Amino acid sequence: DVKVTQSSRYLVKRTGEKVFLECVQDMDHENMFWYRQDPGLGLRLIYFSYDVKMKEKGDIPEGYSVSREKKERFSLILESASTNQTSMYLCASSSTGNTQYFGPGTRLTVL
Amino acid sequence: EDQVTQSPEALRLQEGESSSLNCSYTVSGLRGLFWYRQDPGKGPEFLFTLYSAGEEKEKERLKATLTKKESFLHITAPKPEDSATYLCAVLNAGGTSYGKLTFGQGTILTVHP
Repeated sequence: DVKVTQSSRYLVKRTGEKVFLECVQDMDHENMFWYRQDPGLGLRLIYFSYDVKMKEKGDIPEGYSVSREKKERFSLILESASTNQTSMYLCASSSTGNTQYFGPGTRLTVL
Repeated sequence: EDQVTQSPEALRLQEGESSSLNCSYTVSGLRGLFWYRQDPGKGPEFLFTLYSAGEEKEKERLKATLTKKESFLHITAPKPEDSATYLCAVLNAGGTSYGKLTFGQGTILTVHP
């Protein structure tokens, strides 16, 4: 079974804090993705990575950065959290061109 | 630009009342069309991948079909546990091979006992 895990299910942070969201997959997938999901806006791609240390901007990268030091791990970083980054964050992984498998999500609240 | 439109936005059914969800798409070249189920507060769960027009796939009470312009998710004799949001996404054959999906807004299905 494909397994994608995320470090936290729920997270509450204060404005201006640095936030790390971690994602780990156990299927040796090349590609990993970070999305955010908001009511009425659907899933929006923030960043993706197609190999270790490689990254590409998605549709809404502003205010975020990512890190992929190991193949199985992809981190999303909010350098200075703001209230408009309150959202559900979803990580996914895939082998090239194939189905994306999602993690359980992290509900982030920024106060 | 790839586009995916799902309809209806919300669907309420009685238990046992069969129906279909629609996913219309515009893409320059389709590499794959994906259906996911998402329960409240959870990540999307993969259901099906369809690759070419005419293809069909089934899983329990669900059957997905694909034409050149749209996909249907047919639900036969649904049960309350089928209540969820169903998401459709397409993968463009062009561009990079990294697999950037374009998602629809989803259909919220509620099945009443």
